[in-house]
Amino acid sequence: SQTIHQWPATLVQPVGSPLSLECTVEGTSNPNLYWYRQAAGRGLQLLFYSVGIGQISSEVPQNLSASRPQDRQFILSSKKLLLSDSGFYLCAWNSLSNQPQHFGDGTRLSIL
Amino acid sequence: AQSVTQLDSQVPVFEEAPVELRCNYSSSVSVYLFWYVQYPNQGLQLLLKYLSGSTLVKGINGFEAEFNKSQTSFHLRKPSVHISDTAEYFCAVSGRGLTDKLIFGTGTRLQVFP
Repeated sequence: SQTIHQWPATLVQPVGSPLSLECTVEGTSNPNLYWYRQAAGRGLQLLFYSVGIGQISSEVPQNLSASRPQDRQFILSSKKLLLSDSGFYLCAWNSLSNQPQHFGDGTRLSIL
Repeated sequence: AQSVTQLDSQVPVFEEAPVELRCNYSSSVSVYLFWYVQYPNQGLQLLLKYLSGSTLVKGINGFEAEFNKSQTSFHLRKPSVHISDTAEYFCAVSGRGLTDKLIFGTGTRLQVFP
């Protein structure tokens, strides 16, 4: 069966520090991969999605970037975190873009 | 392009009462529809989906939803809620094209009181 892993589960970082969040999927090949951010009490904001290795589409211009170095690995990064980067970050995958997405357990990021 | 609206940001209800969470969508083409649930500090879990066929869809945890094409709605219902149903619920829509992506609503917070 397919599984999705996100880590770390929680992270506290100072303003101006770098960020790297990792997401991996097991049990499938060539998945579509997504990064979402969920601010407190808000809905889901799609940040990036990828349909293949090295193929990244950005939905919202911001302080973050994404990379897909391997087929089932999706990384969210920042060189310098801002206070506004705080939130709950979710990774998701599906086999076809119009089909249900399957979500990881999320990373709670707090910026101090 | 598609869009989805969840009119109620919060729905308070007493335990064992029925509940309906509303979802309306907009699209110029045929769609797929989904409901997700999110418990605190967790990811989203698929409750149910409408792809084709019967317009009444049954999902996990006793939830069901009905696709109404004429009213462009996909409301989520449960005849008797439990305390454990307290969570955030998201409706999502996608077109049927292979490059269409899911579009999520802003969510409805269901609060079940004893």
